[in-house]
Amino acid sequence: DAKTTQPNSMESNEEEPVHLPCNHSTISGTDYIHWYRQLPSQGPEYVIHGLTSNVNNRMASLAIAEDRKSSTLILHRATLRDAAVYYCILRGAGGTSYGKLTFGQGTILTVHP
Amino acid sequence: DVKVTQSSRYLVKRTGEKVFLECVQDMDHENMFWYRQDPGLGLRLIYFSYDVKMKEKGDIPEGYSVSREKKERFSLILESASTNQTSMYLCASSLLAGGPYEQYFGPGTRLTVT
Repeated sequence: DAKTTQPNSMESNEEEPVHLPCNHSTISGTDYIHWYRQLPSQGPEYVIHGLTSNVNNRMASLAIAEDRKSSTLILHRATLRDAAVYYCILRGAGGTSYGKLTFGQGTILTVHP
Repeated sequence: DVKVTQSSRYLVKRTGEKVFLECVQDMDHENMFWYRQDPGLGLRLIYFSYDVKMKEKGDIPEGYSVSREKKERFSLILESASTNQTSMYLCASSLLAGGPYEQYFGPGTRLTVT
C-alpha cells in the first residue's frame, strides 16, 4: 500500500470542529482512503472511507482533494470521547496482502474540555 | 452495528502453556484476521482466514496456529507461550478483502506471558 503522511499530534477544544489532514501523494487510481481511530487500550475503530467523492457518515466527514493527493477527516464537533490516535491508510481495490491493514504512526488528537 | 467480541480482555499465562484466544463476529463476514500490536511496531498480521477451514499465514505466523471451524468464530492458538508473545492481540473481520471493505475490530486481548 502507498504511504501516507500525517501530523504527529493535534489539539482541539470540545465542541469545536477538527480537521485532520493526510497526505498521500503516491496514491494510485484504485486506492481507497480509509480512516481508523484507536482509543487508549481499545481495538481500532473504523471511521470512514472514500475513493474520489467526499463522504459523510454519522461519525465524521471525509474531504478528498480533487487530485486525490490529500484528504481531510472532519469531526464536526469534537467531544472528549474523540481523543484517540487517528490513522489514515490507503487500500488497493484488489485485496493485496490478504487485505491486511498497516497502520503508520497516526495523529494523536487531544481534546480539551 | 457489527460486533466483534474476544474471549478475554486480559490474560496472564506462564511460559510453555498452550493459550487459546477466541474471536466471534456477528455480521456473517467472510474474512477474519488476527493481529498483534506492539509499541513502535504497529499492527502486524499473524493469520488470516477467508472462509471456513481456510487460512493463510500473515507476516508473523511463527509460534501461532489458528482454527476456523465455523464462519463466525476464529481462534488463535499459542502452542507454547513465550515471553516474546506478550502483546495486545486484536481480532478483526470484514465482508471481503480489499480497498472498498472496512475491517471491524474486537476490543483486544492484552496477553502477558511470565
